Amino acid sequence: AQSVTQPDIHITVSEGASLELRCNYSYGATPYLFWYVQSPGQGLQLLLKYFSGDTLVQGIKGFEAEFKRSQSSFNLRKPSVHWSDAAEYFCAVGGLTGGGNKLTFGTGTQLKVEL
Amino acid sequence: DTGVSQNPRHKITKRGQNVTFRCDPISEHNRLYWYRQTLGQGPEFLTYFQNEAQLEKSRLLSDRFSAERPKGSFSTLEIQRTEQGDSAMYLCASSRAGGNEQFFGPGTRLTVL
Repeated sequence: AQSVTQPDIHITVSEGASLELRCNYSYGATPYLFWYVQSPGQGLQLLLKYFSGDTLVQGIKGFEAEFKRSQSSFNLRKPSVHWSDAAEYFCAVGGLTGGGNKLTFGTGTQLKVEL
Repeated sequence: DTGVSQNPRHKITKRGQNVTFRCDPISEHNRLYWYRQTLGQGPEFLTYFQNEAQLEKSRLLSDRFSAERPKGSFSTLEIQRTEQGDSAMYLCASSRAGGNEQFFGPGTRLTVL
């Protein structure tokens, strides 16, 4: 069964500081990996995705993530955090199940940005 | 591209009542997904459709839950005899067939009193 672990429930960083959010996954084949962001009371917005190829992927809002197969990780990074990045971040893994692409999400990391 | 829309955005109901939510996917997307998100958790998969066919259902989807997509366009999720444990955000997403990127709607927040 596929699963995702986000070990950090809450993270606080100062504006302008760098950020890394951790994600570890379990999946029996080559995974499709995603990072989504959710602002309070809102749906999920896709930040970036990894399907294959270059293991360093760039996303929107200056975010990037690196797929490391040996560590089963897909950590999200941003070199300089802005106050508007405060939100909850979800890592997800998906794949072809019955022809679909059911996503399994982690429990999320709540990011707080101190001014 | 108007995005995925969901109605209502909020629903408050009393225990034992039936509720129905609607999801309108992005028009050219033929896959539609329902997820449930409880407080402090990530979304959990409930079910998905390809066109009008419901192809997979999670064990989370009890007999009180039913989802339909009669014409392969919009979908409805009905919960019968609601319980307090049904209180959650219900999220809908859509994607193209063969596409792996799911686009999410804003969700319907259900509160069962």
